[in-house]
Amino acid sequence: KAGVTQTPRYLIKTRGQQVTLSCSPISGHRSVSWYQQTPGQGLQFLFEYFSETQRNKGNFPGRFSGRQFSNSRSEMNVSTLELGDSALYLCASRPGTGVEKLFFGSGTQLSVL
Amino acid sequence: SQQGEEDPQALSIQEGENATMNCSYKTSINNLQWYRQNSGRGLVHLILIRSNEREKHSGRLRVTLDTSKKSSSLLITASRAADTASYFCATDSGGSYIPTFGRGTSLIVHP
Repeated sequence: KAGVTQTPRYLIKTRGQQVTLSCSPISGHRSVSWYQQTPGQGLQFLFEYFSETQRNKGNFPGRFSGRQFSNSRSEMNVSTLELGDSALYLCASRPGTGVEKLFFGSGTQLSVL
Repeated sequence: SQQGEEDPQALSIQEGENATMNCSYKTSINNLQWYRQNSGRGLVHLILIRSNEREKHSGRLRVTLDTSKKSSSLLITASRAADTASYFCATDSGGSYIPTFGRGTSLIVHP
């Protein structure tokens, strides 16, 4: 099986712009979670989607949003980018919400200038 | 906010030595997992231990869990240069099964 695929791998944006990141989960996995990783805060949970519905949400402002499509692919959007949004954004999939083990993609490295 | 906190933050050892990393957490958990991350890449799952288990082994990895002390340890025996990475513990509690990660231990194994 192919692993979790995230695109793009690297992204450079300027303050005020918006960005959309994409994640394709492992085939058959219906749950997709997003995490933000920074040197200062570590790994922070953003949200989880299952069957096109947001099931859990972390403590992030409304500028961070996501969605999941019927094929389980997920997108994450950040509007009105701030310098502090520079981070590695990681997507992880698992078969269902009651399964603990996460399978991570390689991440999208976002730099906001 | 972090549920788990790894200790030490950084560890530097020679190839062949054992590496021990610790994780402490604050609230009761369902499960505790350890993940590994090579620089700038995604995390890879290493091992999961449930709250009613005390010890698990996987190859050169040994994990212990002490729920009374709310702590876990990861032991890597006979370390190799390829073990150089960051190691994270992650705990989940309640019904969401959303793993919450610590800040990680950076391990460097010198050849």
